[in-house]
Amino acid sequence: KQEVTQIPAALSVPEGENLVLNCSFTDSAIYNLQWFRQDPGKGLTSLLLIQSSQREQTSGRLNASLDKSSGRSTLYIAASQPGDSATYLCAVPPHTGANSKLTFGKGITLSVRP
Amino acid sequence: EPEVTQTPSHQVTQMGQEVILRCVPISNHLYFYWYRQILGQKVEFLVSFYNNEISEKSEIFDDQFSVERPDGSNFTLKIRSTKLEDSAMYFCASSDGGGTEAFFGQGTRLTVV
Repeated sequence: KQEVTQIPAALSVPEGENLVLNCSFTDSAIYNLQWFRQDPGKGLTSLLLIQSSQREQTSGRLNASLDKSSGRSTLYIAASQPGDSATYLCAVPPHTGANSKLTFGKGITLSVRP
Repeated sequence: EPEVTQTPSHQVTQMGQEVILRCVPISNHLYFYWYRQILGQKVEFLVSFYNNEISEKSEIFDDQFSVERPDGSNFTLKIRSTKLEDSAMYFCASSDGGGTEAFFGQGTRLTVV
């Protein structure tokens, strides 16, 4: 059974810092990996999707990497801003298909201090 | 930009009552999902729906739950007899297949009292 872990549960950084959020998964047979942002009491906003054949994906100040063999992904946020404060979740579907269920990590709650 | 829309945003119901949560997926998407998130816990998969039938469901999705696509645009989750432990945020999601992203709605916060 796939397990997705995100450590630490919370992180506080000063504005402007570059930071890395980690995601690990136990079963490396994944189809892709998706990173989401969740603001308090709100829905999930898709940030990046990395296909299993890719190593990296970039969108603006965000860069996600994927190392399937070691069961890890990282989300790099450059020049963090207070507006980046949110919970960041990673999620994976099984290798059987991208349209199968996503297994989520519990998320990392990021606070960027002005 | 197309988005998944859920209504209502918040619903309070008495234990034992039936509730229907509504979703309008993105129009050209073919795969539809319901997830839930109990306060402070992980987002959990409930059910996926494709080609007018359930394609996968979790152990949470028991006989008290049902899903329906009553027309070309809506996708609903019904809970027949709500329990206190059904209190959670319920998310609808959709995807167009082909390994692309799942897009989530803003959620319906269900409170069972």
